[in-house]
Amino acid sequence: DAGITQSPRYKITETGRQVTLMCHQTWSHSYMFWYRQDLGHGLRLIYYSAAADITDKGEVPDGYVVSRSKTENFPLTLESATRSQTSVYFCASRGQGLTYEQYFGPGTRLTVT
Amino acid sequence: RKEVEQDPGPFNVPEGATVAFNCTYSNSASQSFFWYRQDCRKEPKLLMSVYSSGNEDGRFTAQLNRASQYISLLIRDSKLSDSATYLCVFNQAGTALIFGKGTTLSVSS
Repeated sequence: DAGITQSPRYKITETGRQVTLMCHQTWSHSYMFWYRQDLGHGLRLIYYSAAADITDKGEVPDGYVVSRSKTENFPLTLESATRSQTSVYFCASRGQGLTYEQYFGPGTRLTVT
Repeated sequence: RKEVEQDPGPFNVPEGATVAFNCTYSNSASQSFFWYRQDCRKEPKLLMSVYSSGNEDGRFTAQLNRASQYISLLIRDSKLSDSATYLCVFNQAGTALIFGKGTTLSVSS
C-alpha cells in the first residue's frame, strides 16, 4: 500500500542498547523527518533529510543518528538508549514543492527501561 | 515570546456547537500555516492549510491575521467525531515546521 510506514510500532529496550526505528515511504517524497512527541513538549524535530545522502539536525538531535541511502527509507538509530528517550517517534515526509505540509507515519512507541 | 502558543483547553462543547481556536506565532517571516488534527495516540493528520484570504472546508474555516500574527480555526455544527487535539503549525525558515502543543476538543452528546 502507498503511504508512509514505521516499524516497529512498539518497542521496549534497556538503557544502553542500540535501537533502530525504521521509516519507509512510497510517495518518492524528497524530504523526510523524524520527530519525537512527549507530554508537555509537543512535536520536536530530531533530524530531517532533503534527499538521499543529505541529512541535517533538528531541534533535539543529541543521542540520535540518521542515514538516508535510499529515497524511500530514513532509519533513526539511538546509539545508546537512555530513559529520557522514552517517547513516541513519528516519521514524516513531504514532496519537493513550495508547500510545506508533511504527512506522518503511524508512530513508534519506544520505552527505555 | 514562545514560537507558537495555543490554549491547551480542553474545550468541552455539546454536539452542534460552534467552537473557535486561536494560535499565535512569533516568526513574522512564516509563510505557510496549517491546522493538523491528532487523535489520541495516533499520528497528526493534515486538516487544512490556512491561506491569507481565509478558507473553508465544509464545517471548518481557517483564518490568518498576519498583522497580529495569529491563525484561527472555526468548527461549526460540532460532531462527536471532531473530538481530538488540534495542532497549530507553521513553517520556519526553510524546511522546518513548528508545531504547537495542541488544543484539545471534546464534543459530547
